Formats: sequence, C-alpha cells, structure tokens
Amino acid sequence: IAGITQAPTSQILAAGRRMTLRCTQDMRHNAMYWYRQDLGLGLRLIHYSNTAGTTGKGEVPDGYSVSRANTDDFPLTLASAVPSQTSVYFCASSEGSGGPGELFFGEGSRLTVL
Amino acid sequence: GQNIDQPTEMTATEGAIVQINCTYQTSGFNGLFWYQQHAGEAPTFLSYNVLDGLEEKGRFSSFLSRSKGYSYLLLKELQMKDSASYLCAVRDSNYQLIWGAGTKLIIKP
Repeated sequence: IAGITQAPTSQILAAGRRMTLRCTQDMRHNAMYWYRQDLGLGLRLIHYSNTAGTTGKGEVPDGYSVSRANTDDFPLTLASAVPSQTSVYFCASSEGSGGPGELFFGEGSRLTVL
Repeated sequence: GQNIDQPTEMTATEGAIVQINCTYQTSGFNGLFWYQQHAGEAPTFLSYNVLDGLEEKGRFSSFLSRSKGYSYLLLKELQMKDSASYLCAVRDSNYQLIWGAGTKLIIKP
C-alpha cells in the first residue's frame, strides 16, 4: 500500500546520543513535515520541506535538523538527545507546496530519551 | 497568540449523535481541517471547510462559521469504532497549520 513509512516505530535512547528518524513516501508529494505529539498538546511542527532541496523551521525546531535530498526521503536527526525530546514523532506529506492541504501521516515513531 | 480550543473528552452512546466543537483565534484563516486519530495510530483526514456552512460526508458532517471563529464536527449513528480522538486544525494567513489538542471521544454501548 502506497503511503509514508517511518522507522523505527519505537526506540529507547540514552541522553546525549545521536538519533535519526527515517521517513520515506512513495506518493511523489512535494511537501513533507515532521511533527511531535505530546499528551495534552496539539501536534507541533518541527521542520518542513516544501520541495526537494529546501527546508524550513517550524514551531519547535531547536535540537532537531532535517534534510531533503530527494522527493521521497525526509529524515529527522536529533544531534544530542535530551529527555524533553521524549515524544511521538509523525512524518507527514501533502501534495502541494503552497502550504499544507490534506496531510498523509506515517504511523509514528515513539521515542523515549532516558 | 494563536489558539485552538476543543473539549478534552466527550462520552456518547452507540447509535446516538455527538457534536464536537472547535473555536479558534488565528492570524488569518485559510481553511479548517478535522482529523480522526485512533489510539496509537496516525491521524487520518476527515473533512475540510473553507467557506461558511455545512459539509456532509456520510455519517460525518463539519460546519464552519468564520465570523464566529467556530466549527463543529457532527457524528451520526455512532459506532464503537468511532471511539478516537478528533483533531481540529486551522491553516493561518501564512498557510501554516495550527492544531488543537484534540477531543477524545468515548463511545459506550
């Protein structure tokens, strides 16, 4: 089934370690997004990319970096993980690049930083 | 600041009708979305409103009043599988999505 694949689905990580969450889509969507979801809060945008080769900062970008070398892949890297980065991370994509229309989400990556 | 308000939790009975409200204060408005999210799963798109009025899609309907900064999601003939969180999101003047915290809907037999 076409869509968005995230890996890993779950990870426990020691504080200070580097971690990359992978995201791949096969829908040829222009725009891709990384969100974090925490209990009691709405989805918060970390970084986004409107098209391959470009990226932008969202609401909570500190401690995270992204790259968009091609249309399909949009990895999220935590350079030095901290406990406050414990969260569920969702990658999403949308067809247009002029701001998000209908979003298609991956199944999420549950990250625990100890 | 920008703000989306939804009730935290609602309970309804199987077969009944429930209305989930969403009020918003954002910098501009370029559409409102509703998503459904089952526990432990990804959000999935339900509806989109950009003009005032009611959009009907099967058992689900979504209403928008831009002048009041208000929307609701109406679920009819509730089924147990409708137990989920319902997320309201507004696209602002910069075409960024602002998300509410979600409403957890519990369906009882």
